[in-house]
Formats: sequence, C-alpha cells, structure tokens
Amino acid sequence: DGGITQSPKYLFRKEGQNVTLSCEQNLNHDAMYWYRQDPGQGLRLIYYSQIVNDFQKGDIAEGYSVSREKKESFPLTVTSAQKNPTAFYLCASNPYQVNTGELFFGEGSRLTVL
Amino acid sequence: QQQVKQSPQSLIVQKGGISIINCAYENTAFDYFPWYQQFPGKGPALLIAIRPDVSEKKEGRFTISFNKSAKQFSLHIMDSQPGDSATYFCAARHPGTYKYIFGTGTRLKVLA
Repeated sequence: DGGITQSPKYLFRKEGQNVTLSCEQNLNHDAMYWYRQDPGQGLRLIYYSQIVNDFQKGDIAEGYSVSREKKESFPLTVTSAQKNPTAFYLCASNPYQVNTGELFFGEGSRLTVL
Repeated sequence: QQQVKQSPQSLIVQKGGISIINCAYENTAFDYFPWYQQFPGKGPALLIAIRPDVSEKKEGRFTISFNKSAKQFSLHIMDSQPGDSATYFCAARHPGTYKYIFGTGTRLKVLA
C-alpha cells in the first residue's frame, strides 16, 4: 500500500540528546514536510522540501535539522538546541503539482523529553 | 500575512445538528484551501478542499463556503454524527512554494 511511514511512534529523550525521526514515503511525491503539533497551536511548519537535495526552513526551524538525500526519505533531527521539544511531529508529502493540493500525512511521532 | 485564523477553538453539537467552523486569511495569493480531519493519535486526513475561484463546494454532508472578498471560508457539517467528533483544521497553500499554513484547529464533539 502507498503511504507515509513515520517511526518511531513514541520516543523518549533525555535533555541534551539529539534524536532523529524517520519519514519514508512510497507515493513518489516530490514535496515533503515536517510539522509540529502542540495543543491549541495547530500545525506549525518546521521544514519543507520540494525536491531532492533542497529544503527550506519553515516557521519554527530553530533547533531542528533535516536532510533530503533521497526522494522517498526526509528525516528530522531534533537537536539539543530545541528548548521545548516535547510534541507530536507529523510528516507529510505532496506531488508538488498545481492541480493536486492534498497533503498526505503519516501517523505521527510523539516525542517526550524526560 | 501568513496566518490563518480559525474559530471556534471547540464546538459541541447535538447529533443531527449543523457544525460550522470558520477561518480567515490575509494573503490573497493563497491558491488552495483544504480542510483536514484528525482523530486522536492519528495524522490529519483531507476532508474537502476548494480553490478561490469557487464559492461553494459540497461533498456529502460536508460543504465549504468561500467568500473571496471577505477573505473567509467555512466548513459546514450537516446532520452531524458522533463519528464526526474529531479535530478539524483549515489550511491555505501559498503558490510556488507550496507552503501550507494551518489554522489552530477546532475540537468538535457531537453528542449522541
């Protein structure tokens, strides 16, 4: 089945540690996105990538890093510089064509800092 | 200019009633306005979407009304059911960058 796979579903981290969240898609989509979801704040864009080997900062990129070495993969690293990393992280993809606007989301990864 | 403002934050509706969620935007360049439905612990899923050259779009019990001059759009859920209880997000897409801006979400509870 085609879709977006995020892993792990739950992750616990000690303060000062970097963690990497995985996002893989087999939809052959060009564009991929990372969003952070906090209660009452909706979905806030961290990073997005429209093409392999290129990505742009979103609205809350500080303390995060990404790479886009393959079309199907867009991992997100939450660094120790991120002051409040406990959140629900969502990865999404889109064909990046003008007539296809749907964002396809993964099931999310919940990160808790201990 | 990049914000999408959504209201209300929460909504309680009786079964069979109409649920209405509103969103407003500032950037007239936005070219696509989707609504997403999210159940607890899951990723959002597209419910219905509209482009700014259309004033209304209906799919089953779900209707988007779009007012370009007022820069507002709304989701109407007719004959609301307990299974519709979820969080709903409006969004807007910036053309070119394909950057999607989301509203803050509305938690809908439909009472049986």
